[in-house]
Amino acid sequence: DAGVIQSPRHEVTEMGQEVTLRCKPISGHDYLFWYRQTMMRGLELLIYFNNNVPIDDSGMPEDRFSAKMPNASFSTLKIQPSEPRDSAVYFCASSAGRGLQQYFGPGTRLTVT
Amino acid sequence: GNSVTQMEGPVTLSEEAFLTINCTYTATGYPSLFWYVQYPGEGLQLLLKATKADDKGSNKGFEATYRKETTSFHLEKGSVQVSDSAVYFCALRGAGNKLTFGGGTRVLVKP
Repeated sequence: DAGVIQSPRHEVTEMGQEVTLRCKPISGHDYLFWYRQTMMRGLELLIYFNNNVPIDDSGMPEDRFSAKMPNASFSTLKIQPSEPRDSAVYFCASSAGRGLQQYFGPGTRLTVT
Repeated sequence: GNSVTQMEGPVTLSEEAFLTINCTYTATGYPSLFWYVQYPGEGLQLLLKATKADDKGSNKGFEATYRKETTSFHLEKGSVQVSDSAVYFCALRGAGNKLTFGGGTRVLVKP
């Protein structure tokens, strides 16, 4: 069974450009999480969904960040406009229910120059 | 709010040495505690967990005991291998479904 799939694995873009990160959760999982990992701030939860509905977006840093989950098998995290301080590894994770194990994708390494 | 503090790395060891990574937490209520491992270029993988006081989680030779009295969940392994080189994250899950992670500890095991 495939795990959590993220694309692209690496993204390099210029400041001001729009960036879209994609995630396909494990089939049947009803929770989806977006995390950001940086050297300075460690691993932070940005937002999570349950049954495609955003439940908690308190970790989203600012209005430049938005996340959607149009269906149970796809989610996007968009940054518009991107800034150099957004450079990080972004992880998507999914779980089969409340309080159950979260499975992480391989991450997308974003570099904004 | 909830927080997790773990020892800063890097921790450099020789193969077959004993590994301890300290982790303490602050949380309201009765959180579940976790250790995750991140190998180079990969996402986090659950290593072990404990859901209540005095529980011991174990996996792949690693162990950690949930100590409520000291609010700690230290990770130990008696004899490390080169393949254990990774970054280890302590985490807690309180109310809701949110994980709070520590800063991570990089472990490097040399042959």
